[in-house]
Order: sequence, then structure tokens, then C-alpha cells
Amino acid sequence: NAGVTQTPKFQVLKTGQSMTLQCAQDMNHEYMSWYRQDPGMGLRLIHYSVGAGITDQGEVPNGYNVSRSTTEDFPLRLLSAAPSQTSVYFCASTPLVDSPLHFGNGTRLTVT
Amino acid sequence: EDQVTQSPEALRLQEGESSSLNCSYTVSGLRGLFWYRQDPGKGPEFLFTLYSAGEEKEKERLKATLTKKESFLHITAPKPEDSATYLCARARGSQGNLIFGKGTKLSVKP
Repeated sequence: NAGVTQTPKFQVLKTGQSMTLQCAQDMNHEYMSWYRQDPGMGLRLIHYSVGAGITDQGEVPNGYNVSRSTTEDFPLRLLSAAPSQTSVYFCASTPLVDSPLHFGNGTRLTVT
Repeated sequence: EDQVTQSPEALRLQEGESSSLNCSYTVSGLRGLFWYRQDPGKGPEFLFTLYSAGEEKEKERLKATLTKKESFLHITAPKPEDSATYLCARARGSQGNLIFGKGTKLSVKP
């Protein structure tokens, strides 16, 4: 099993550009989530999903959209990138509510 | 407000010098306290889950303990390869995600 796979690993965008960060898991996990990690701020929840077709906002959802059409995939969309969205983004999944999260290796995004 | 607070922010040890990392949380009805290790450029790697006060778990030189207000990650006779950032988190209700502390960056010098 590959686990949680995130692509791309690195991305540079100009302000106002859009892009999609991809996340796929092959463990048939119901729960998936997106975090961003910034120096001194820790991991902060952007959006999450409790199953295919169901998504909700986390702590810092502004500027990001998500959808969950299949159990395996949970893409994160930036509609109009801003320098404040420069960060490292992690996708995670888990099979049960109180079980550990499995993380991907992240996407490092720079917005200039 | 739900909080997970880790201390210290950074810890520098000599190889073989044992110490502890602290994680305090403010929530009633804890549904799980999680410890992760994160190496530079990588995603967090799961270490332990603790569910009830008094519970302890061990893995090599690491031992995690839990009380009603805090958790400790004890590192016994650390080696340079234990250098990493250690993250503590608690379950966020029934959403299948976690609230994280800001981490403790551990450096072990030979």
C-alpha cells in the first residue's frame, strides 16, 4: 500500500493563480483532512471530510475549497492564490474517529 | 477554547541525557491523546495513542504517559537519531481529525 500520496511535492504560484493540491489514499479510510503548517503556528485544520460527498470547514478555511467525490481522493483547491497561503500543506486520513491520522509527505507551496 | 500546549518549544540534550517533553490539554472527555514525530521535509509519523489517565506506552527509548490534564513523552538515553520535532494532539470531537500543539524541537548532540 502507498498510504497517503500528495502531489506535487513543490509548487510556486504567482498571486491570483489557481491550482489544485492532490491527495489520494489507498487504505479505504472514511475520514480525510487537510492541514497547513507554518513556523510557530503548528498544524492547523483547513477542511475535512467524514465520507464521500461530505465536507466541512476547519479552523482556517478561507481561500480554499474541497470536494470528496470518491473515498480515495480529497483535492484542495486554491481559487486565487495569495502570499499568505505560502505554507506546507499536509493531507491525512484515518479509518475511525478516534484512531491515529496517517499523513502524506506534504506539498510545499510558495506564492509570490 | 480547546487547547493543546507543548513545552518546551526546543530542547537540546547530550547523547544519553534523559529528559521529558510535556503536553497539556484543556478538554473534558478526552477521546485520545496522540504523539507524533516529524522529521524535516516529512509528514508527521505516528508514535503513540493514549486514551485514559494512567495509561503508558513504550517504544524503544520513548515512553508516553497520560494524566487527567497532561501527557509526558519521556526520552531515555537519547541518541542523535532521536532528533526531530515531536507533536502532541488530541482528538477533535467525532470529526476524525486532531487539534495539534506547536511541537517541541528536540536536538540530541553526540
